[in-house]
Amino acid sequence: DTGVSQNPRHKITKRGQNVTFRCDPISEHNRLYWYRQTLGQGPEFLTYFQNEAQLEKSRLLSDRFSAERPKGSFSTLEIQRTEQGDSAMYLCASSLGIDRDVLEKLFFGSGTQLSVL
Amino acid sequence: GQQLNQSPQSMFIQEGEDVSMNCTSSSIFNTWLWYKQEPGEGPVLLIALYKAGELTSNGRLTAQFGITRKDSFLNISASIPSDVGIYFCAGPTSGTYKYIFGTGTRLKVLA
Repeated sequence: DTGVSQNPRHKITKRGQNVTFRCDPISEHNRLYWYRQTLGQGPEFLTYFQNEAQLEKSRLLSDRFSAERPKGSFSTLEIQRTEQGDSAMYLCASSLGIDRDVLEKLFFGSGTQLSVL
Repeated sequence: GQQLNQSPQSMFIQEGEDVSMNCTSSSIFNTWLWYKQEPGEGPVLLIALYKAGELTSNGRLTAQFGITRKDSFLNISASIPSDVGIYFCAGPTSGTYKYIFGTGTRLKVLA
């Protein structure tokens, strides 16, 4: 299976600790997205990359959050000094974007469920 | 900012019934994506729509891109218990590749 892969699936941490999540997109996909989802809500956009360039960041992405995609392949999302309000499902998605008019589809991974105690 | 509103918020239906749900936007969209999400999993893409008036089917699912480009509809025919989940619509905000999601329609199917 060559779908979007996220690790770990679950992460429990204590408030104040740093956590890092990894996303491996579908291999030929050049766009990679991070979303956050809390219980009962739809996914909220955090940021996206085209190849290695981070093109847009949401205001939800405070300075404690940082995302990288160093070689345009996998991506990491790090949260520093976690707070209880960071508890959520963190979802990664990827797509094959060629130009503005391409028929784009976003494919999601299974997510990383973060619980901050 | 742009928002996507879905209705109904939740539905309880009997197995075998047809289901209709919709998604409306405050502004024009050029793409509509419909997803299903089950507990503890990521959203799974069901149908993608790219043209106003387009009608696309995927098995028992049919989705339509509204003529005004501000809405989209998803229908499920002859529902079965495994249709249970949350259905989300999504589309790219104007001039970007940032996809926003609707509020979701929670579907429960009673056998």
